[in-house]
Amino acid sequence: QVQLQESGPGLVRPSETLSLTCTVSGESMTSYYWNWIRQPPGKGPEWIGYIYYSGSTNYSPSLKSRVTISVDTSKKQFSLKLSSVTAADTAVYYCARRRSMVDGYYMDVWGNGTTVTVSS
Amino acid sequence: EIVLTQSPGTLSLSPGERATLSCRASQTVYSSYLAWYQQKPGQAPRLLMYDASNKATGIPDRFSGSGSGTDFTLTISRLEPEDFAVYYCQQYGSTPLTFGGGTKVEIK
Repeated sequence: QVQLQESGPGLVRPSETLSLTCTVSGESMTSYYWNWIRQPPGKGPEWIGYIYYSGSTNYSPSLKSRVTISVDTSKKQFSLKLSSVTAADTAVYYCARRRSMVDGYYMDVWGNGTTVTVSS
Repeated sequence: EIVLTQSPGTLSLSPGERATLSCRASQTVYSSYLAWYQQKPGQAPRLLMYDASNKATGIPDRFSGSGSGTDFTLTISRLEPEDFAVYYCQQYGSTPLTFGGGTKVEIK
């Protein structure tokens, strides 16, 4: 049974870089897309981007200039960096697995989420 | 970018009643790549349906999904107490992946 666990600082100062890591357990990272999604307080989820296990990435246009997603399959981890954060980046951040196109293409497994607050 | 509009925003129903939730897309969702998620307070979204009408593993038979193109529906045939939550639709046929604004199903 695959499980995902987010980790990282819960408080980030404005203008700094938010850094989170998602650790995958129970299954290989091969042939899946690994996603970051966030949910501001009281709002719906927002997709940030994904990285394929091989390293190719796709980011939301609204965040593309500030986002970097990387993967380390040997550690079974992938990471999110979001630069120049403001209060608008305060949210619960989730990592999620997306199946390959031949296997369904949908996001089926999510982490529990980690709350990140941007404040001085 | 495909914009998903969910209606109604809030649905007030009693246990045992039927719930019908709508999700309308601003353009055709490729291959009906549309999912429904259930979210309860303090929890991550839980996958209910994928490909518009396929139930995820472990989802009860009272949940069903339908639709294609730009109009999709999630139906809960008889509401159980544990079904009162917020429901989101999400399209994954094109990037950026997008979510609807949600429908809250509350106890009347």
